[in-house]
Amino acid sequence: AQKITQTQPGMFVQEKEAVTLDCTYDTSDQSYGLFWYKQPSSGEMIFLIYQGSYDEQNATEGRYSLNFQKARKSANLVISASQLGDSAMYFCAMADQFYFGTGTSLTVIP
Amino acid sequence: NAGVTQTPKFQVLKTGQSMTLQCAQDMNHEYMSWYRQDPGMGLRLIHYSVGAGITDQGEVPNGYNVSRSTTEDFPLRLLSAAPSQTSVYFCASSPGQYNEQFFGPGTRLTVL
Repeated sequence: AQKITQTQPGMFVQEKEAVTLDCTYDTSDQSYGLFWYKQPSSGEMIFLIYQGSYDEQNATEGRYSLNFQKARKSANLVISASQLGDSAMYFCAMADQFYFGTGTSLTVIP
Repeated sequence: NAGVTQTPKFQVLKTGQSMTLQCAQDMNHEYMSWYRQDPGMGLRLIHYSVGAGITDQGEVPNGYNVSRSTTEDFPLRLLSAAPSQTSVYFCASSPGQYNEQFFGPGTRLTVL
């Protein structure tokens, strides 16, 4: 059964605008972690943000924030003030065993 | 700190050959894992280890073996390479299963 679902294969956003990348997850565990990673065309995996299942506040890291809705089992990534360097693949993942979604390709348009 | 290192960066094998992908980390992390990334599939967990001497299977373990004799090293062995194992392989480490994973640069493997 697919644990992480990313329903947007590709997204476009205008430079300096905000964009939301969707992620839903499936688990019966009470304790889990949710992660977002960025993979630019160079191929490396870059950690962006983490949300624990017991965290009451939404996680934020600079221009990245995670919109965590536990009841809906969603963990959407919000990127504010998009930059050209944000163009990349974005993957949502869930622990304890790391399950990754199929990713969303984000293109920032100048 | 070198972080997570992987060798080789590129490899071409013939069907039936065996080889070992090397992975090492210098952060004293207990948790290490191997993934494969195929187009349109995201990353899929092959094997993981929660500490030296302990390994377990992930989502797609068939055709691969691992061992963890030290905290630092976590090699991945392909026993008899098949074209279906053509992929990019990532090794990762973290302090624990619920922590951020640090990824190596990846190994691009082609099996002819």
